[in-house]
Amino acid sequence: AQSVTQLDSQVPVFEEAPVELRCNYSSSVSVYLFWYVQYPNQGLQLLLKYLSGSTLVKGINGFEAEFNKSQTSFHLRKPSVHISDTAEYFCAVRGSPEKLTFGTGTRLTIIP
Amino acid sequence: DTGVSQDPRHKITKRGQNVTFRCDPISEHNRLYWYRQTLGQGPEFLTYFQNEAQLEKSRLLSDRFSAERPKGSFSTLEIQRTEQGDSAMYLCASSSQEETQYFGPGTRLLVL
Repeated sequence: AQSVTQLDSQVPVFEEAPVELRCNYSSSVSVYLFWYVQYPNQGLQLLLKYLSGSTLVKGINGFEAEFNKSQTSFHLRKPSVHISDTAEYFCAVRGSPEKLTFGTGTRLTIIP
Repeated sequence: DTGVSQDPRHKITKRGQNVTFRCDPISEHNRLYWYRQTLGQGPEFLTYFQNEAQLEKSRLLSDRFSAERPKGSFSTLEIQRTEQGDSAMYLCASSSQEETQYFGPGTRLLVL
């Protein structure tokens, strides 16, 4: 079975400041890890994914995440946030079988 | 390249009525997924198709819920005798052989 923990339900950050959104997972099989972003009243958009290879993954909109197997973490980072980054961010793990298991989400609010 | 589409985007119904939602996946994708997202939560897996075969169903999918994908292309999700607890966003996603699931905009259901 898989599970995902996003400890921070809300993260306020000043514009142009760096941000880290935390994600910890558990899985009994090889993991594939994802970050999705959801804007109000919309579906989920893929930000980035880790399937294998380099543990530092770069995604869209300047986001990156680092897979840490020993700490079972996949934290999302951005060096300088913009107002348009205000959204809900979901970490997800795909183990076996096919389904994605999501965390409860982190609401990122950018303060001008 | 058209993405995943869902219809309708919004549905308001009275308790006890039946509703049906449609999902059109990305055309070359053979895998299709349904998820449910309630307010303040991450999406939860409901069911999964590979081509026309329904391969997995969550325990969340009570006997009032049925999903079909008759020709391996679009899918429908029907809820019979709706209850207020069915109010949620219903998300559809599709994927090919690789691991990334692409989501549609969702259907928001409100049961009065």
